[in-house]
Amino acid sequence: DIQMTQSPSSLSASVGDRLTITCRASQDIDTYLNWYQQKPGKAPKLLIHAASNLQGGVPSRFSGSVSGTVFTLTIAGLQPDDFATYFCQQTYRTPLTFGQGTKVEIK
Amino acid sequence: EVQLLESGGGLVQPGGSLRLSCAASGFTLTNYAMSWVRQAPGKGLEWVSGIGGGGSTSYADSVKGRFTISRDNSNNTLYVQMSSLRAEDTAVYYCAKSSGHYELDNWGQGTLVTVSS
Repeated sequence: DIQMTQSPSSLSASVGDRLTITCRASQDIDTYLNWYQQKPGKAPKLLIHAASNLQGGVPSRFSGSVSGTVFTLTIAGLQPDDFATYFCQQTYRTPLTFGQGTKVEIK
Repeated sequence: EVQLLESGGGLVQPGGSLRLSCAASGFTLTNYAMSWVRQAPGKGLEWVSGIGGGGSTSYADSVKGRFTISRDNSNNTLYVQMSSLRAEDTAVYYCAKSSGHYELDNWGQGTLVTVSS
């Protein structure tokens, strides 16, 4: 199975901060990497697909990038609505696997 | 508008069975891959099972041999039949639709399964 190692597991930040969350794949997954946002009691929401493609309706302060097997989600200018948990997921091969999640809390 | 509505969750004893349903609207199930994803209380997301547009199926090792994914094309409904349930299967179960790179672009609201005596 492909392992997805996500870091950090949690972080505290302030409105306006620039955040970076990292996900490392245990093997080559091309660009089959997606990012989701989840708020308490709600279903996950797709933010970025294929490593760097912004899903429709998602604010442009979210961006994704890749270098080899290391994928990065960046939030440029954190907004109050962005405090949530973020997950990466590889869809290169089944079983599809998620990272452990990053909880973004208010400092 | 794409909508996914899960049902069938509830309390079941260890060793019991349950069938979850996911009624899809706004698109045709056979045109897309679909997945079941679960989330145990306070934990992360775990992909459980998937079915391709052509009907091929796949499962996580944790449920292989116990869960069966299927769909009813006439009712545009996705199912997962769960048997030999264990306490560790307790979770909110989501159905989700896949798109081009198999990303999960639409999710249901989830249904809670609790396995307990």
